[in-house]
Amino acid sequence: GAGVSQSPSNKVTEKGKDVELRCDPISGHTALYWYRQSLGQGLEFLIYFQGNSAPDKSGLPSDRFSAERTGGSVSTLTIQRTQQEDSAVYLCASSVVGGGGGQPQHFGDGTRLSIL
Amino acid sequence: KQEVTQIPAALSVPEGENLVLNCSFTDSAIYNLQWFRQDPGKGLTSLLLIQSSQREQTSGRLNASLDKSSGRSTLYIAASQPGDSATYLCAVRLWNTDKLIFGTGTRLQVFP
Repeated sequence: GAGVSQSPSNKVTEKGKDVELRCDPISGHTALYWYRQSLGQGLEFLIYFQGNSAPDKSGLPSDRFSAERTGGSVSTLTIQRTQQEDSAVYLCASSVVGGGGGQPQHFGDGTRLSIL
Repeated sequence: KQEVTQIPAALSVPEGENLVLNCSFTDSAIYNLQWFRQDPGKGLTSLLLIQSSQREQTSGRLNASLDKSSGRSTLYIAASQPGDSATYLCAVRLWNTDKLIFGTGTRLQVFP
């Protein structure tokens, strides 16, 4: 398909385990974004990539969260030593250009993460 | 700090009604505003994007307006259908940033 692809769609893990969430953006989209959607908090920005660099990581809630992007394409969001409050839907989006270019962001279906 | 609020939080209407969803933001220095719909268990589908220099955008039965000075946007849905049932989210982008700041959402149900 031509849309943003995220995997896995659902992830259940035990507290304290590490998890990796993957995002495959739309081909040719240089900007990639991670957001988190949780009950009571709404949709919150986590990190933004332009190419392989992350000029804005201000939304990462703690140092247990990290993300990388390689080859200007696929991105991985890693959560170490998961806590129950990390349970949420993690959404990835991409757009043609970042840098305030004003292009619409296109979202994947998200990964629903549940921490037991 | 930019805050985005949507009213009402939930709305239930009979099929065929015209309806208005409201979005307000506290900082008028926005770059653009985007409306999305979200179906249960799904991601966000972009509906309309209004640049700060624009007053409105239209797509089919949807019309979104923007009044930056008053910090408001409205999404007008004409002749609503059961398939319009979803959560509608507005999001603003500020100048010199790339992240979106989302509103609290309006959960719409259109019944036959």
